[in-house]
Order: sequence, then C-alpha cells, then structure tokens
Amino acid sequence: QVTLKESGPVLVKPTETLTLTCTVSGFSLSNARMGVSWIRQPPGKALEWLAHIFSNDEKSYSTSLKSRLTISKDTSKSQVVLTMTNMDPVDTATYYCARMGYLSAFDIWGQGTMVTVSS
Amino acid sequence: QSALTQPPSASGSPGQSVTISCTGTSSDVGGYNYVSWYQQHPGKAPKLMIYEVSKRPSGVPDRFSGSKSGNTASLTVSGLQAEDEADYYCSSYAGSNNFYVFGTGTKVTVL
Repeated sequence: QVTLKESGPVLVKPTETLTLTCTVSGFSLSNARMGVSWIRQPPGKALEWLAHIFSNDEKSYSTSLKSRLTISKDTSKSQVVLTMTNMDPVDTATYYCARMGYLSAFDIWGQGTMVTVSS
Repeated sequence: QSALTQPPSASGSPGQSVTISCTGTSSDVGGYNYVSWYQQHPGKAPKLMIYEVSKRPSGVPDRFSGSKSGNTASLTVSGLQAEDEADYYCSSYAGSNNFYVFGTGTKVTVL
C-alpha cells in the first residue's frame, strides 16, 4: 500500500523558516519516474503547486516562490523535505505532499498538514 | 505561472450531467496531453479522477470522463450522485520550468 504522510510545525512566526517532511511508504524514491511534489491550499482557496523532486534528484520550483523554496530527499529514510524561508501570514495553508508516478499525475496524496503563520 | 481558469460553481440534479471547463494557454493545457482532474471533499485530500486528459485510474467510476479541445479541457460527470458533490480541480503540465499548474477550482452541487 502506497502512503505519504506530512509532518512539521503547526505554528510558525513571521520571518521564520518552515521545514516540512513527507515520509513515504510502499514505493522507493529512487524508482524511475517516481517523484514527489509539495502542494499547498490556503483556507477556502485553490491548490497551488510548489515544488517537485524527481527520482534522479532533479528539482523544479514554482517560479513565483523559487527564491524561498528548497526541496530535497533522503532515499534511505524515504523522506522528502521542503523548506520555505521568510514565512508570512499569507503562507498559512494546508501543505500536501503527493506522488507523481507512472500516470503523469498526482496519484497518491498525503493527508495534509495545516500550518499557521502568526506571531 | 497563472492558474488555469475554471468556473466557480456548477450544479445538476441527481442523474443529470455536469461539465466543468478548464482554460489555459498553449504553454500548458494546449501544449501537452497531461491534463488531470482531482476531486476534493471538505476537509479531505484531493483524489485523482482523470489523468492524461481522458484516462481513468483504477476504481474511478466511468461516469467521470475527460476531454480537451485547444487550450480548454473539460470534465464531465454523468449520472450525478450525491457523493459527487465536491470541489474539482484541473491541473496541467506547464513545461520544464513551471512543471505543473492547478486550476482555480469548481464547486459542484448536486441539487
């Protein structure tokens, strides 16, 4: 069974750096065509794609947030990590990690983790 | 990297059909056959319903179908059922720089 699970802080202060971890099971991050994206959704708003890491460790970032994002993975731990610097209240959202595999779509999603940015 | 445009809402009675549009550009929807659709119930994670414009993952009812013409993709839900009431999002590959972009979302109401 393929699963993804997000973890990280519930509350961060403005200007702080957010670090989120996505722990996957049921597949290997080193398998060809297996990649993981981070996607967020502010309360009551639409989904927004943030970043993706491919099986060969190539990375892709949202052009509007590229300067603030870093995505990485630890294949031995089956984890994908997203860091976002200089957090602002507008970054308050549910953050999801999702797998992109053979279907060229986000076929498996984590449950999401809600992050609030407030002083 | 602009979001794809979807109507805010759509509705239909049980048994009827509803079609949701997703309009992009030649750099995303019109340029690739990598359009996907996601269903999201309140408080839940999105679920993949359609991939590569018109393909259904295993377990998705054939009441859900997808198509594309030019820069606009569409999702049709036939034989509407109460459990189809949800938010629906389209997504498209947008090239190696922008990778993927999502739509603005459509709330489907079953009357």
